[in-house]
Amino acid sequence: NAGVTQTPKFQVLKTGQSMTLQCAQDMNHNSMYWYRQDPGMGLRLIYYSASEGTTDKGEVPNGYNVSRLNKREFSLRLESAAPSQTSVYFCASSEVTYSPLHFGNGTRLTVT
Amino acid sequence: AQTVTQSQPEMSVQEAETVTLSCTYDTSESDYYLFWYKQPPSRQMILVIRQEAYKQQNATENRFSVNFQKAAKSFSLKISDSQLGDAAMYFCAYRAGGTSYGKLTFGQGTILTVHP
Repeated sequence: NAGVTQTPKFQVLKTGQSMTLQCAQDMNHNSMYWYRQDPGMGLRLIYYSASEGTTDKGEVPNGYNVSRLNKREFSLRLESAAPSQTSVYFCASSEVTYSPLHFGNGTRLTVT
Repeated sequence: AQTVTQSQPEMSVQEAETVTLSCTYDTSESDYYLFWYKQPPSRQMILVIRQEAYKQQNATENRFSVNFQKAAKSFSLKISDSQLGDAAMYFCAYRAGGTSYGKLTFGQGTILTVHP
């Protein structure tokens, strides 16, 4: 049972390059989320998708775009990477409002 | 907006001893949920325990228990009989009920070191 799968696990970008982080879940969850983790700041919500066909901004959406491709997949795109986007990115999914989030294993992104 | 504060950046404990990690939160909601997640060096986020605000009884999961003080907006995690495998970063998290769509707000995290 794979749960939430993120690719890639590691990535190094130069400033100005673009890339897409992929996320897929096989638990038939309705809601999906993208978080970033920075030292001393915990995890902060970038974007979320309450259900297939909808996306909304979280706490730190600037510089990112998302696509909810179908119920399983939720991608995060950096159009023009900046050093401030160096972080660990987590995708998560949830079945219903009160159930816990299930997380992927994260992507460590470095922007030089 | 809801905020979650973990005031202890680092904590340490001897193996087999008990340690308590602190968490406070701020909200005007009455319907919400609280969680503790563990993040070992592998980076994986693992759910440790959760508490529904409407339940007065404190949640327990084996060696892990919480002290939920709703009026004080406090949600501490107690780890009993600490083991080397408990060493990790621990995050407290808040989630509003209703139409919050499950968004979690996290604290800054507490690094727990377990000494043999």
